[in-house]
Amino acid sequence: GAGVSQSPSNKVTEKGKDVELRCDPISGHTALYWYRQSLGQGLEFLIYFQGNSAPDKSGLPSDRFSAERTGGSVSTLTIQRTQQEDSAVYLCASSLEAGGRKFFGPGTRLTVL
Amino acid sequence: QQPVQSPQAVILREGEDAVINCSSSKALYSVHWYRQKHGEAPVFLMILLKGGEQKGHDKISASFNEKKQQSSLYLTASQLSYSGTYFCGTDGSSNTGKLIFGQGTTLQVKP
Repeated sequence: GAGVSQSPSNKVTEKGKDVELRCDPISGHTALYWYRQSLGQGLEFLIYFQGNSAPDKSGLPSDRFSAERTGGSVSTLTIQRTQQEDSAVYLCASSLEAGGRKFFGPGTRLTVL
Repeated sequence: QQPVQSPQAVILREGEDAVINCSSSKALYSVHWYRQKHGEAPVFLMILLKGGEQKGHDKISASFNEKKQQSSLYLTASQLSYSGTYFCGTDGSSNTGKLIFGQGTTLQVKP
């Protein structure tokens, strides 16, 4: 059984460009979460999905950040007009049900030059 | 509100014990513990759901005092493989799975 996968694994972009980060959760997992981890820091909550709905977007740092989930499966996190402070590892996690054990993907390391 | 973990870092010799604490200023529905090794994704250790609940996983166990809004992770007879950063994640009363993680406790086990 495949785990959570994320792509790309690394992304280097120039300031001001838009980026899309993809997360493929474990099949059948209804809940999906996005976290951000800056170098040497903890895990910062961004957004979570229950099915295709995002009941809580409170963690998104600014309106440059958006996310969607389609078909109750794949999720995309989009960052518009990237800034240097957006540089971090973006982690996606899924769980069979809300509140359950989370399975994290390997993350996407984003570097904004 | 981010939970507070203590200590921030600890160095042990193999076979020694350690306790990592996680304290919240808000009422909690559950506490989750994860371990992250350098350059890897966090890996699930355990979930504690009820006040006063204790759980064990090999030589790693944890307790959750709902009243005190605190949880502790106990590592007994530590092994080299226990090295990593430990995070507690707290879920408020809604059980959405939205975890707010502490800043982490770095554990280094030496031979």
